[in-house]
Amino acid sequence: KNEVEQSPQNLTAQEGEFITINCSYSVGISALHWLQQHPGGGIVSLFMLSSGKKKHGRLIATINIQEKHSSLHITASHPRDSAVYICAVTTRNTGGFKTIFGAGTRLFVKA
Amino acid sequence: NAGVTQTPKFQVLKTGQSMTLQCAQDMNHNSMYWYRQDPGMGLRLIYYSASEGTTDKGEVPNGYNVSRLNKREFSLRLESAAPSQTSVYFCASSDDRGRAPDTQYFGPGTRLTVL
Repeated sequence: KNEVEQSPQNLTAQEGEFITINCSYSVGISALHWLQQHPGGGIVSLFMLSSGKKKHGRLIATINIQEKHSSLHITASHPRDSAVYICAVTTRNTGGFKTIFGAGTRLFVKA
Repeated sequence: NAGVTQTPKFQVLKTGQSMTLQCAQDMNHNSMYWYRQDPGMGLRLIYYSASEGTTDKGEVPNGYNVSRLNKREFSLRLESAAPSQTSVYFCASSDDRGRAPDTQYFGPGTRLTVL
């Protein structure tokens, strides 16, 4: 079993819909990250959080440490949100930190 | 600021050839990383460098070597390329300094095909 699991793997939505992507992890973490990878391949960090909730524009990320679960929400989705969304967790190891990445959720938003 | 830059963007090699992927960052970050990304799998760490002069193996180091030339540059070398090394390679950097995790900033990636 992977240490970071995302669901769904693929998601198609209509423009304007509210979208939720889920991430579950099985290790103790120092932080959880949400990243976005556009079709061109570039990877951009959206959020880093260790508790509670963060909001940036139409994106909201939440984390429940007790349940080892995080969600990424997109409100009023738009075709330009089409991308792969990646959940990653950072754990402490000897000498520093280690980041484990999920396989990603491919989102397509139709106009 | 250019952020994290990688060269080349694309490369095709024959089995057994060698090459070096270059990475540089201008954010004065201490930590640098090399990942590979394969279809259906998450990014996997090949090597990382927590500071200038230090390097450590990640999850999939076999067949690769790295050099942290200075604080800015971190190169990845394939000594004898194999088809299993066909992948997209990403370099990243962060400022975590071992105290607390920080955001990683990624380069644009290198798409490598080994025939």
